[in-house]
Amino acid sequence: GNSVTQMEGPVTLSEEAFLTINCTYTATGYPSLFWYVQYPGEGLQLLLKATKADDKGSNKGFEATYRKETTSFHLEKGSVQVSDSAVYFCALSDGSSNTGKLIFGQGTTLQVKP
Amino acid sequence: DSGVTQTPKHLITATGQRVTLRCSPRSGDLSVYWYQQSLDQGLQFLIQYYNGEERAKGNILERFSAQQFPDLHSELNLSSLELGDSALYFCASSVLDGTSLAKNIQYFGAGTRLSVL
Repeated sequence: GNSVTQMEGPVTLSEEAFLTINCTYTATGYPSLFWYVQYPGEGLQLLLKATKADDKGSNKGFEATYRKETTSFHLEKGSVQVSDSAVYFCALSDGSSNTGKLIFGQGTTLQVKP
Repeated sequence: DSGVTQTPKHLITATGQRVTLRCSPRSGDLSVYWYQQSLDQGLQFLIQYYNGEERAKGNILERFSAQQFPDLHSELNLSSLELGDSALYFCASSVLDGTSLAKNIQYFGAGTRLSVL
């Protein structure tokens, strides 16, 4: 079945460091890929998305490129801030299932220290 | 603010009891999804409704049921509660464009935290 695998956390970085959170997926058909962020005590917010191979999603300095050849959608940011501390979820929406339901990775906690 | 409203925010109950979680989707959204977030299982899809009808089922227990009403709000009913049902339950809504389902964006509520004691 379809699945998403994220790198284990927590990830601890100093402010202004470079961030990479790895995400790989297994899917049939042509899924759309998403990164959601969950700040402490809040719900999930869509961070960025990509709907086809080689698409690059970007938002608030974060970027991720849909790589079909490596089945990956790694999240990157050039310079993290303390306010980026949160849990990040990679997810896919299976286009062949005709429902749009999301399959999530296990989440990666990011802690940014001043 | 995502526009998706979930009530209550917190729910504390005892084993064997029954509870109802409520979700009001964003204005104009026809589809509602329910997800469960627990420490051991992560974020899992439970069930989806579209315009009042069940559209898809995931890892939802038989003790759980849901429905979507004519005004499009949805309720998730959990019965015969067990300690292991303690989790954060999220509702999400989307427009669900029939021509591009996979590109559909889901907007999440803040969740209902259920504690079963």
